[in-house]
Amino acid sequence: QKEVEQDPGPLSVPEGAIVSLNCTYSNSAFQYFMWYRQYSRKGPELLMYTYSSGNKEDGRFTAQVDKSSKYISLFIRDSQPSDSATYLCATPNQAGTALIFGKGTTLSVSS
Amino acid sequence: DAGVIQSPRHEVTEMGQEVTLRCKPISGHNSLFWYRQTMMRGLELLIYFNNNVPIDDSGMPEDRFSAKMPNASFSTLKIQPSEPRDSAVYFCASRLAGVGTDTQYFGPGTRLTVL
Repeated sequence: QKEVEQDPGPLSVPEGAIVSLNCTYSNSAFQYFMWYRQYSRKGPELLMYTYSSGNKEDGRFTAQVDKSSKYISLFIRDSQPSDSATYLCATPNQAGTALIFGKGTTLSVSS
Repeated sequence: DAGVIQSPRHEVTEMGQEVTLRCKPISGHNSLFWYRQTMMRGLELLIYFNNNVPIDDSGMPEDRFSAKMPNASFSTLKIQPSEPRDSAVYFCASRLAGVGTDTQYFGPGTRLTVL
């Protein structure tokens, strides 16, 4: 089993919809989690990070971690066409030397 | 402030040729990463340098791949000889280790096509 699993999609929604993007992870020792956003033909850029269990909100974006079920979620409210991108979840490996990424979910928001 | 710089942005080469990818990390960052991204496997770490020293190269696929970091402002990833299965987007990322969440900053990538 891959350490971080993510449904690749694609996911298509109309403008204004609420979007839910999800990942699962296998190692309960992972302590914090990140969401990166990658626009087409660009490098990934950090969108949000969150420690342990709980929620973190930043504008229209909410990151949620459920350690009991090893589930990571990113919610986007009032989605915009500019949110169209690939979203990758990530967590540092146990050595702290690198990030382990999910494969990414491609989101398309139509106007 | 300039981000991570990679060159070339696109490379098309024939099987068997040597390919060299270049990266300039963000000034002041002390860690550098090379990743490879494909549709099948996603984003995978190839090698990680800390203070110019290779720390983890377990992701380097085979001896055809080599990476160097001669100084804090420059790194290369070399493939010799190249094969069609090496076709991918190669990203370089840097970070300032030990500060906050150790955010990695990615370059724009080099899209490599091996014919």
